[in-house]
Amino acid sequence: AQTVTQSQPEMSVQEAETVTLSCTYDTSESDYYLFWYKQPPSRQMILVIRQEAYKQQNATENRFSVNFQKAAKSFSLKISDSQLGDAAMYFCAYRTRNAGNMLTFGGGTRLMVKP
Amino acid sequence: GAVVSQHPSWVICKSGTSVKIECRSLDFQATTMFWYRQFPKQSLMLMATSNEGSKATYEQGVEKDKFLINHASLTLSTLTVTSAHPEDSSFYICSAREGGRGPGQPQHFGDGTRLSIL
Repeated sequence: AQTVTQSQPEMSVQEAETVTLSCTYDTSESDYYLFWYKQPPSRQMILVIRQEAYKQQNATENRFSVNFQKAAKSFSLKISDSQLGDAAMYFCAYRTRNAGNMLTFGGGTRLMVKP
Repeated sequence: GAVVSQHPSWVICKSGTSVKIECRSLDFQATTMFWYRQFPKQSLMLMATSNEGSKATYEQGVEKDKFLINHASLTLSTLTVTSAHPEDSSFYICSAREGGRGPGQPQHFGDGTRLSIL
């Protein structure tokens, strides 16, 4: 079974600074995708960024980028120039072609942004 | 972008009643829909996966007779919590994946339903 682990229950960052959220996963599959989702207080799930396992280049989306280390099964999210609106729960997620293509979520990291 | 509409957003009802939650993909066909449950300050737990026209696949520990899932069309899946009790109170989120079986197919989430059983 695949597992996704987020070792940081809470993180704090000063506005305009950079923060990195950690995520590790365990799988024996080779064809999979990794995702970071943001869940603000409204509880809507918002896709932040995704990474295909077969791509070596790290995905980037504006202020969000990932550090994908396939051998180490690590998938961290870096948020640059943090903004107050970035405050939310962040979930790392994994999906493979097998197992019904379901998303497996990590436990989440609550990010607080200090003004 | 693709939109998933989930209704109702909040429901309060008495213990013993049944509650139906609808999940609709508004501008795409969803061959697969997923139902999640989320407790306060916790992650999303997959309850079941439903494919259009077939029976839902439930995760271990999820009562099939308690949580009835119907995926009658490519744009609609429903979750019915039967004979609801206070312990069923939770936040339920549906998710729909656009056509195709590849792991990269986009998966879109509804806004969730807060269920409170008195």
